[in-house]
Amino acid sequence: SQTIHQWPATLVQPVGSPLSLECTVEGTSNPNLYWYRQAAGRGLQLLFYSVGIGQISSEVPQNLSASRPQDRQFILSSKKLLLSDSGFYLCAWSVAGTGAYEQYFGPGTRLTVT
Amino acid sequence: AQRVTQPEKLLSVFKGAPVELKCNYSYSGSPELFWYVQYSRQRLQLLLRHISRESIKGFTADLNKGETSFHLKKPFAQEEDSAMYYCALSRSGTYKYIFGTGTRLKVLA
Repeated sequence: SQTIHQWPATLVQPVGSPLSLECTVEGTSNPNLYWYRQAAGRGLQLLFYSVGIGQISSEVPQNLSASRPQDRQFILSSKKLLLSDSGFYLCAWSVAGTGAYEQYFGPGTRLTVT
Repeated sequence: AQRVTQPEKLLSVFKGAPVELKCNYSYSGSPELFWYVQYSRQRLQLLLRHISRESIKGFTADLNKGETSFHLKKPFAQEEDSAMYYCALSRSGTYKYIFGTGTRLKVLA
């Protein structure tokens, strides 16, 4: 069966420090991968999505970047964190292709920038 | 631009009362619509999608293209229905999903 992992579960980082959040999927090949930020009152904001290795689409101009070095690995990064980067980050995957496919979400990472 | 609107941040109902969580969307094409649910300390998960026309845990949702709505309904709320509910839209032919801001449902004993 397919599983999705995210780590770390929680992270406290000072302003100006770098960030690396990792997401991996098991049990499927060539998934579509997604990074969301979940904020109270603002719902889920799509940050990046990827339909293949090295293919990244950015939805919101911001202080973050994403990479997909392997088929089932998706990384969210920042060179210098801002206070506004605090939030709950969710990784998700769906089967390849477009259509009414279910998204499967990871457990999330709570990021606090101090 | 495509948008999903959930007008209620919080909805409180008593156990056994009917529930309706509202979702309106703006999209000129044929949307693919979903309801996702997040129970306390659990992952966000799919509840139902409009193409399936199914009832999950007693919940149903009907796509009304004229009113551009996809409201989630249940005739008799249960305490275990308390959760955060998100409506989501996907445009046919794309990989993107647009989520609403969510409605927290509290079912009171």
